[in-house]
Amino acid sequence: NAGVTQTPKFQVLKTGQSMTLQCAQDMNHNSMYWYRQDPGMGLRLIYYSASEGTTDKGEVPNGYNVSRLNKREFSLRLESAAPSQTSVYFCASKSQFTDTQYFGPGTRLTVL
Amino acid sequence: GIQVEQSPPDLILQEGANSTLRCNFSDSVNNLQWFHQNPWGQLINLFYIPSGTKQNGRLSATTVATERYSLLYISSSQTTDSGVYFCAVSMEYGNKLVFGAGTILRVKS
Repeated sequence: NAGVTQTPKFQVLKTGQSMTLQCAQDMNHNSMYWYRQDPGMGLRLIYYSASEGTTDKGEVPNGYNVSRLNKREFSLRLESAAPSQTSVYFCASKSQFTDTQYFGPGTRLTVL
Repeated sequence: GIQVEQSPPDLILQEGANSTLRCNFSDSVNNLQWFHQNPWGQLINLFYIPSGTKQNGRLSATTVATERYSLLYISSSQTTDSGVYFCAVSMEYGNKLVFGAGTILRVKS
């Protein structure tokens, strides 16, 4: 049982490049989330998916798109990366039976 | 939107000391969680505690929902307790957690 996994762990992009961050969970959870963490701050919600086939915007969605590929996987795409998107990105999941969210190890993204 | 304030922002303890971290929130919530982010960046859920008191080993938490605050107690602190402690709340069941800025805890041996 790996919990929540994220790939890649580290990534460096140039301004304007695109990339997709991958997240998968093996806990059969319905809900999945993408957050970003900037230095000295708490996490902020980018997008979430309450169940397979649905996605909704969080607090800071601009510049991002998401896909809930199936129940296990939730990806985050940056179409045209900007230096302001330099951050650590966390994926989380939650079961339909509790309100506890479980987090992946994070992806550290630098945009030059 | 809902505001979450944590205090103190920084705390340095000698190993073995006790501490209390506070989380104030600006509106009624139905989800409150405490997390520990270790020095390697991993976020670990400590408590789901929208109200009441819970204990897990040397850690305990109390949320007084009517007064809009939560406290995290760490007793007999150890160096492995170092890291950042976050309080996060939601007004909706399970979704849209809003995080505080965190308390940075350093435990010295």
